[in-house]
Amino acid sequence: GAGVSQSPRYKVAKRGQDVALRCDPISGHVSLFWYQQALGQGPEFLTYFQNEAQLDKSGLPSDRFFAERPEGSVSTLKIQRTQQEDSAVYLCASSLGGIDYGYTFGSGTRLTVV
Amino acid sequence: AQSVTQLDSHVSVSEGTPVLLRCNYSSSYSPSLFWYVQHPNKGLQLLLKYTSAATLVKGINGFEAEFKKSETSFHLTKPSAHMSDAAEYFCVVSGGGADGLTFGKGTHLIIQP
Repeated sequence: GAGVSQSPRYKVAKRGQDVALRCDPISGHVSLFWYQQALGQGPEFLTYFQNEAQLDKSGLPSDRFFAERPEGSVSTLKIQRTQQEDSAVYLCASSLGGIDYGYTFGSGTRLTVV
Repeated sequence: AQSVTQLDSHVSVSEGTPVLLRCNYSSSYSPSLFWYVQHPNKGLQLLLKYTSAATLVKGINGFEAEFKKSETSFHLTKPSAHMSDAAEYFCVVSGGGADGLTFGKGTHLIIQP
């Protein structure tokens, strides 16, 4: 597609529920990133894939967070046993390569844990 | 390690007057620097980027930024504000091995009619 697509656009989860957030990057983009943006804050890095390899997951806040990109295209961010502090906008970005190619961000998934 | 400090959480200007959004950075590497804009309920849009070429970078919608290594600054400017410029602006630095981005906390730009 023309841009990075994320679904669902909004998700309301009850505390303790598992959620899965999807990211469809731009076709051919090698690099894929997940960011978490809390209300009133800047996005914070969660994890990074190059093709199907997860090269950096240092930003994942706990072992309840898990991300995968099994075929090097679509990625899923899974959050187990959601907590209220997980409420945020989750942004996905993709890039053809490194910094010089720039990044394209999706519109994000707004997760609200009640 | 890298970090970004946006010096103003809110900036208010009148339409037609200049805009200045301030950003200071810290990086262990030769940094790449970006400004992104985020309109309500919209995705992040790249305004401009600096990647060790010209220190004065021109972006979209009349914005530009100047990289000043001696001051570790990358301030964003626009000569004349337009109502459509009202949004959240993020200064971003990259330079780590994974090419990940480190965002500032954002500056909310308000345009007064």
